Amino acid sequence: QKEVEQDPGPLSVPEGAIVSLNCTYSNSAFQYFMWYRQYSRKGPELLMYTYSSGNKEDGRFTAQVDKSSKYISLFIRDSQPSDSATYLCAPSRQAGTALIFGKGTTLSVSS
Amino acid sequence: GAGVSQSPRYKVAKRGQDVALRCDPISGHVSLFWYQQALGQGPEFLTYFQNEAQLDKSGLPSDRFFAERPEGSVSTLKIQRTQQEDSAVYLCASSLVVWGAVQETQYFGPGTRLLVL
Repeated sequence: QKEVEQDPGPLSVPEGAIVSLNCTYSNSAFQYFMWYRQYSRKGPELLMYTYSSGNKEDGRFTAQVDKSSKYISLFIRDSQPSDSATYLCAPSRQAGTALIFGKGTTLSVSS
Repeated sequence: GAGVSQSPRYKVAKRGQDVALRCDPISGHVSLFWYQQALGQGPEFLTYFQNEAQLDKSGLPSDRFFAERPEGSVSTLKIQRTQQEDSAVYLCASSLVVWGAVQETQYFGPGTRLLVL
């Protein structure tokens, strides 16, 4: 079993839809949970970061971590065509260390 | 300001050739990471530098892979006797703080897309 599992999609939604992206992980030592966004032929860029369990909101984006079930979610409200990208979850055991990425979910938002 | 830059952006190599991939991190960033991203996969960790010291090379897939950062800034990832399975995007990331200090964003470069024929 891989440390981080993520459904690769693709996921296609109309503009304005609410999107839910999810990851599961196996290592209970993970403490830091990042979501990266990667546009085609670009490097990943940090979107959201959460420490331990709980929710974090930033504009249209909400990150949620449930450590009891080892489940990570990213919600996008009022999705826009510019949100079309691959979303990668990346937990880590220790601050500032190597990231362990999921496979990434490819999202397409149509106008 | 300038972000992480990588060169070349694209590299085609014949099987058996040696290649060298360059990373210019953000100025002043202490930590530098190399990742390998195969098609349809997430990036996988290769190696980590803190300044010029290579503190973790546990992700390097074979002894054909070698990385250096001699002056603590620019880094080079070298692959000897390339094989078809080496075809991937090689990403470099830099961070302001040291491993294990505090949580700090890793800033990624655009990657070098390597195709081995």
